[in-house]
Amino acid sequence: DAKTTQPPSMDCAEGRAANLPCNHSTISGNEYVYWYRQIHSQGPQYIIHGLKNNETNEMASLIITEDRKSSTLILPHATLRDTAVYYCIVRVTGANSKLTFGKGITLSVRP
Amino acid sequence: DAGVTQSPTHLIKTRGQHVTLRCSPISGHKSVSWYQQVLGQGPQFIFQYYEKEERGRGNFPDRFSARQFPNYSSELNVNALLLGDSALYLCASSLAGEHYGYTFGSGTRLTVV
Repeated sequence: DAKTTQPPSMDCAEGRAANLPCNHSTISGNEYVYWYRQIHSQGPQYIIHGLKNNETNEMASLIITEDRKSSTLILPHATLRDTAVYYCIVRVTGANSKLTFGKGITLSVRP
Repeated sequence: DAGVTQSPTHLIKTRGQHVTLRCSPISGHKSVSWYQQVLGQGPQFIFQYYEKEERGRGNFPDRFSARQFPNYSSELNVNALLLGDSALYLCASSLAGEHYGYTFGSGTRLTVV
């Protein structure tokens, strides 16, 4: 069963920041927060992950609350190509750790 | 460098038939996983293989089987196809023990009629 809760959908204007929330109130101490996205008819794409510190890469920023019960994925300047389903996943790392996907959040970026 | 490649991209099968889906991981990746994604849902874990051994199995019937070859490519087999097996089948590869998650292929779209 998925361990995360995400709203079903949201939208934002092109060029603005998109802030995608995720609740993971039962996260364990050794579980990381991962974000993937899936553009229509493609396989999921890794975006970012973190344990307890905020993380940033060329795609996005990940803000994890101090109690680690929730997080926010930030796309700083959304473009139309960012329209996709975004999945928040908690997992332990390692070769044998599967990904448990929920339904994700559908982000629609409007012109 | 080639990503995860899956074949075929699309196929149509009849109920009761057998199907074999193929996956080639990224060069150097020794772990391959299979996921099923039905329309409107997130991907569901089917199998994981590492170094040619099964390391994980999801809640799927015995009609589903898989194997990994010495070159780390993998096959997913489904017997006695049902209409409900219609889905996008995704293969993902990863380095053992790495933190950066899995790289997915574009999937095989299976339609059972």
